[in-house]
Amino acid sequence: GAGVSQSPSNKVTEKGKDVELRCDPISGHTALYWYRQSLGQGLEFLIYFQGNSAPDKSGLPSDRFSAERTGGSVSTLTIQRTQQEDSAVYLCASSLAVQRANEQFFGPGTRLTVL
Amino acid sequence: GNSVTQMEGPVTLSEEAFLTINCTYTATGYPSLFWYVQYPGEGLQLLLKATKADDKGSNKGFEATYRKETTSFHLEKGSVQVSDSAVYFCALDTGGFKTIFGAGTRLFVKA
Repeated sequence: GAGVSQSPSNKVTEKGKDVELRCDPISGHTALYWYRQSLGQGLEFLIYFQGNSAPDKSGLPSDRFSAERTGGSVSTLTIQRTQQEDSAVYLCASSLAVQRANEQFFGPGTRLTVL
Repeated sequence: GNSVTQMEGPVTLSEEAFLTINCTYTATGYPSLFWYVQYPGEGLQLLLKATKADDKGSNKGFEATYRKETTSFHLEKGSVQVSDSAVYFCALDTGGFKTIFGAGTRLFVKA
Protein backbone atom coordinates (compact mmCIF):
# COMPACT_ATOMS: atom_id res chain seq x y z
CA GLY A 1 0.00 0.00 0.00
CA ALA A 2 0.92 3.63 -0.26
CA GLY A 3 0.95 4.42 3.44
CA VAL A 4 1.46 2.92 6.87
CA SER A 5 -1.33 0.57 7.83
CA GLN A 6 -2.29 -0.74 11.24
CA SER A 7 -4.63 -3.45 12.37
CA PRO A 8 -7.01 -3.77 13.98
CA SER A 9 -8.34 -0.24 13.91
CA ASN A 10 -10.22 -0.87 17.14
CA LYS A 11 -9.71 -3.49 19.82
CA VAL A 12 -11.82 -4.01 22.89
CA THR A 13 -10.51 -6.54 25.37
CA GLU A 14 -11.00 -7.63 28.93
CA LYS A 15 -8.53 -6.88 31.65
CA GLY A 16 -5.92 -9.62 31.90
CA LYS A 17 -6.09 -10.70 28.25
CA ASP A 18 -3.19 -10.44 25.81
CA VAL A 19 -3.44 -8.32 22.66
CA GLU A 20 -1.36 -8.03 19.50
CA LEU A 21 -1.25 -4.89 17.40
CA ARG A 22 0.14 -4.96 13.90
CA CYS A 23 1.91 -2.37 11.80
CA ASP A 24 2.77 -2.52 8.09
CA PRO A 25 5.24 0.26 7.27
CA ILE A 26 5.79 1.92 3.93
CA SER A 27 7.79 -0.36 1.67
CA GLY A 28 11.49 0.44 1.82
CA HIS A 29 11.35 2.28 5.13
CA THR A 30 13.99 0.81 7.39
CA ALA A 31 12.96 2.66 10.55
CA LEU A 32 9.75 1.91 12.43
CA TYR A 33 8.40 3.54 15.58
CA TRP A 34 5.64 2.81 18.08
CA TYR A 35 3.93 5.53 20.11
CA ARG A 36 1.06 5.64 22.54
CA GLN A 37 -1.44 8.49 22.58
CA SER A 38 -3.61 8.68 25.66
CA LEU A 39 -6.67 10.90 25.83
CA GLY A 40 -5.60 14.52 26.14
CA GLN A 41 -1.93 13.59 26.15
CA GLY A 42 0.83 13.92 23.64
CA LEU A 43 2.55 11.06 21.95
CA GLU A 44 4.55 8.81 24.24
CA PHE A 45 7.48 7.14 22.51
CA LEU A 46 7.56 3.39 23.13
CA ILE A 47 10.18 1.77 20.90
CA TYR A 48 11.87 2.02 17.53
CA PHE A 49 13.35 -0.47 15.09
CA GLN A 50 16.23 -0.03 12.73
CA GLY A 51 15.71 -2.99 10.44
CA ASN A 52 14.74 -5.85 12.71
CA SER A 53 16.73 -4.56 15.65
CA ALA A 54 15.34 -2.57 18.58
CA PRO A 55 18.41 -1.00 20.21
CA ASP A 56 16.54 0.78 22.98
CA LYS A 57 13.54 -0.66 24.76
CA SER A 58 13.56 1.74 27.69
CA GLY A 59 10.41 3.52 26.48
CA LEU A 60 8.23 0.46 26.95
CA PRO A 61 6.01 1.17 29.99
CA SER A 62 6.45 -2.24 31.63
CA ASP A 63 7.65 -5.77 30.97
CA ARG A 64 4.12 -6.61 29.84
CA PHE A 65 4.92 -4.76 26.61
CA SER A 66 7.06 -6.29 23.88
CA ALA A 67 7.57 -5.69 20.19
CA GLU A 68 9.19 -7.43 17.31
CA ARG A 69 9.80 -6.82 13.66
CA THR A 70 10.45 -9.44 11.05
CA GLY A 71 11.88 -9.23 7.55
CA GLY A 72 12.53 -5.55 8.02
CA SER A 73 8.84 -4.97 7.46
CA VAL A 74 5.85 -5.88 9.61
CA SER A 75 5.98 -5.16 13.33
CA THR A 76 3.86 -6.48 16.15
CA LEU A 77 3.36 -4.80 19.52
CA THR A 78 2.18 -7.25 22.16
CA ILE A 79 0.65 -6.30 25.47
CA GLN A 80 0.29 -9.13 27.96
CA ARG A 81 -2.17 -9.19 30.84
CA THR A 82 -3.73 -5.92 29.75
CA GLN A 83 -4.71 -3.34 32.35
CA GLN A 84 -7.23 -0.52 32.10
CA GLU A 85 -4.42 2.05 32.03
CA ASP A 86 -3.25 0.48 28.77
CA SER A 87 -6.31 1.94 27.04
CA ALA A 88 -5.04 4.40 24.44
CA VAL A 89 -4.46 4.84 20.74
CA TYR A 90 -1.31 3.04 19.61
CA LEU A 91 0.39 4.69 16.66
CA CYS A 92 2.97 3.29 14.36
CA ALA A 93 5.22 5.37 12.11
CA SER A 94 7.95 4.63 9.63
CA SER A 95 10.73 6.60 8.01
CA LEU A 96 13.40 6.00 5.41
CA ALA A 97 16.07 5.71 8.08
CA VAL A 98 16.82 6.58 11.65
CA GLN A 99 18.29 9.93 10.82
CA ARG A 100 18.07 13.45 12.09
CA ALA A 101 15.09 15.40 10.80
CA ASN A 102 13.67 12.51 8.82
CA GLU A 103 9.94 12.78 8.30
CA GLN A 104 7.93 10.09 10.02
CA PHE A 105 4.85 8.75 8.27
CA PHE A 106 2.12 7.69 10.64
CA GLY A 107 -0.54 5.05 10.43
CA PRO A 108 -4.14 5.69 11.50
CA GLY A 109 -3.61 3.98 14.84
CA THR A 110 -5.22 1.18 16.81
CA ARG A 111 -7.64 2.28 19.50
CA LEU A 112 -7.33 -0.15 22.42
CA THR A 113 -9.99 -0.26 25.10
CA VAL A 114 -9.44 -2.47 28.13
CA LEU A 115 -12.61 -3.12 30.08
CA GLY B 1 15.94 16.14 29.51
CA ASN B 2 14.43 17.13 26.20
CA SER B 3 10.87 18.38 26.23
CA VAL B 4 8.29 20.32 24.24
CA THR B 5 5.64 22.60 25.69
CA GLN B 6 2.81 23.93 23.57
CA MET B 7 -0.19 26.02 24.39
CA GLU B 8 -3.23 24.25 25.68
CA GLY B 9 -6.30 24.12 23.55
CA PRO B 10 -8.77 24.16 22.30
CA VAL B 11 -8.24 27.24 20.22
CA THR B 12 -11.42 28.49 18.55
CA LEU B 13 -11.20 31.02 15.74
CA SER B 14 -13.44 32.41 13.07
CA GLU B 15 -12.57 31.85 9.45
CA GLU B 16 -9.92 34.28 8.12
CA ALA B 17 -8.59 35.01 11.61
CA PHE B 18 -4.87 35.02 12.40
CA LEU B 19 -3.52 31.93 14.12
CA THR B 20 -0.63 31.53 16.53
CA ILE B 21 0.07 28.32 18.41
CA ASN B 22 2.97 28.71 20.79
CA CYS B 23 5.65 26.06 21.17
CA THR B 24 8.77 26.19 23.31
CA TYR B 25 11.34 23.51 23.82
CA THR B 26 14.14 22.35 26.07
CA ALA B 27 16.91 20.39 24.46
CA THR B 28 20.58 19.66 24.61
CA GLY B 29 22.49 20.28 21.44
CA TYR B 30 20.84 21.56 18.30
CA PRO B 31 17.51 19.88 17.69
CA SER B 32 15.43 19.78 14.55
CA LEU B 33 11.91 21.11 15.07
CA PHE B 34 8.65 20.00 13.53
CA TRP B 35 4.97 20.69 13.38
CA TYR B 36 2.74 17.70 12.70
CA VAL B 37 -1.01 17.94 12.06
CA GLN B 38 -3.73 15.38 12.71
CA TYR B 39 -6.95 16.00 10.79
CA PRO B 40 -10.13 14.35 12.08
CA GLY B 41 -10.07 10.63 11.39
CA GLU B 42 -6.59 10.71 9.88
CA GLY B 43 -3.06 9.89 10.98
CA LEU B 44 -0.46 12.48 11.90
CA GLN B 45 1.33 14.06 8.99
CA LEU B 46 4.26 16.40 8.79
CA LEU B 47 3.23 20.01 8.25
CA LEU B 48 6.62 21.72 8.28
CA LYS B 49 10.07 21.51 9.79
CA ALA B 50 13.22 23.50 10.46
CA THR B 51 16.65 22.04 11.08
CA LYS B 52 18.73 24.96 12.30
CA ALA B 53 18.45 28.32 14.02
CA ASP B 54 16.65 31.07 12.08
CA ASP B 55 15.30 28.59 9.53
CA LYS B 56 11.69 29.14 8.58
CA GLY B 57 9.53 26.15 7.73
CA SER B 58 6.43 26.77 5.66
CA ASN B 59 3.63 24.78 4.07
CA LYS B 60 -0.04 25.31 3.18
CA GLY B 61 0.13 28.93 4.38
CA PHE B 62 1.54 27.92 7.78
CA GLU B 63 4.92 29.18 8.94
CA ALA B 64 7.21 28.65 11.92
CA THR B 65 10.64 30.13 12.61
CA TYR B 66 13.30 28.31 14.64
CA ARG B 67 14.27 30.81 17.36
CA LYS B 68 17.22 29.52 19.34
CA GLU B 69 17.46 32.60 21.56
CA THR B 70 13.92 32.09 22.84
CA THR B 71 13.88 28.29 22.30
CA SER B 72 10.63 28.65 20.41
CA PHE B 73 8.98 27.42 17.22
CA HIS B 74 5.59 29.12 17.13
CA LEU B 75 3.15 28.13 14.39
CA GLU B 76 1.40 30.95 12.51
CA LYS B 77 -1.09 31.34 9.70
CA GLY B 78 -2.42 34.62 8.46
CA SER B 79 -5.93 33.52 7.54
CA VAL B 80 -7.33 30.21 8.77
CA GLN B 81 -9.98 28.16 7.01
CA VAL B 82 -12.53 25.71 8.34
CA SER B 83 -10.45 22.95 6.75
CA ASP B 84 -7.56 23.82 9.09
CA SER B 85 -9.51 22.44 12.04
CA ALA B 86 -7.25 19.73 13.44
CA VAL B 87 -4.86 18.90 16.26
CA TYR B 88 -1.38 20.39 15.88
CA PHE B 89 1.70 18.83 17.49
CA CYS B 90 5.05 20.49 17.97
CA ALA B 91 7.99 18.09 18.10
CA LEU B 92 11.77 17.93 18.24
CA ASP B 93 14.55 15.48 17.63
CA THR B 94 18.18 15.81 18.59
CA GLY B 95 19.40 13.28 16.09
CA GLY B 96 18.76 9.58 16.12
CA PHE B 97 15.62 7.80 16.92
CA LYS B 98 13.63 9.64 19.50
CA THR B 99 11.22 12.37 18.49
CA ILE B 100 9.66 14.22 21.44
CA PHE B 101 6.11 15.45 20.86
CA GLY B 102 4.13 18.09 22.67
CA ALA B 103 0.66 17.37 24.02
CA GLY B 104 -1.07 18.78 20.96
CA THR B 105 -3.30 21.81 20.46
CA ARG B 106 -6.78 21.36 19.06
CA LEU B 107 -7.91 24.08 16.66
CA PHE B 108 -11.55 24.72 15.77
CA VAL B 109 -12.28 27.14 12.95
CA LYS B 110 -15.85 28.38 12.65
CA ALA B 111 -17.39 29.47 9.35
